Amino acid sequence: NAGVTQTPKFRILKIGQSMTLQCAQDMNHNYMYWYRQDPGMGLKLIYYSVGAGITDKGEVPNGYNVSRSTTEDFPLRLELAAPSQTSVYFCASSYPPGQGMELFFGSGTQLSVL
Amino acid sequence: AQTVTQSQPEMSVQEAETVTLSCTYDTSESDYYLFWYKQPPSRQMILVIRQEAYKQQNATENRFSVNFQKAAKSFSLKISDSQLGDAAMYFCAYRSPNNNDMRFGAGTRLTVKP
Repeated sequence: NAGVTQTPKFRILKIGQSMTLQCAQDMNHNYMYWYRQDPGMGLKLIYYSVGAGITDKGEVPNGYNVSRSTTEDFPLRLELAAPSQTSVYFCASSYPPGQGMELFFGSGTQLSVL
Repeated sequence: AQTVTQSQPEMSVQEAETVTLSCTYDTSESDYYLFWYKQPPSRQMILVIRQEAYKQQNATENRFSVNFQKAAKSFSLKISDSQLGDAAMYFCAYRSPNNNDMRFGAGTRLTVKP
């Protein structure tokens, strides 16, 4: 199993550009997440999904959009990139709470907005 | 809302010595899980150890052990016989069956001196 796969690993955007961060998992997990990691701030939840067709906002959703058309894929869309979105982005997946509490993470995407 | 606090931004330890990383959390729930994740320079998030709140016995994984004090809401990580490969960012995390996501502390950067 590949686990959670994120692409790209690195990306530089200009202010105002848009892009999609891809995330796929092959563990048949219902739950998927997008976190961002800023220095000294830990990981903050952007969006999450509890199954195909169901998404919800996390702590820091502004400037982002998600969709979940399949169990495997959970892309994160950045519209009109801003310098404040410079961060490391992690996709993760898990079983529902109670069936398995651990989150499995992708390898992260380092995004710089200049 | 549940919060996780790591009060030590940086720690250092001599190779082969023992170090303890601190974590406190705030919750009104009785059923929850606590985790320590390791993030080496590769950026990958690696689960080190987990503790179920209903278990009184402290979890142990080889050289890694925890001191779980439920009443004090404290969850420290002890690394024995520290190795150069233990150098990383360590995140304390919380998740309950009532939460869809996992909450993270700000992290502690551990340096291991040869």
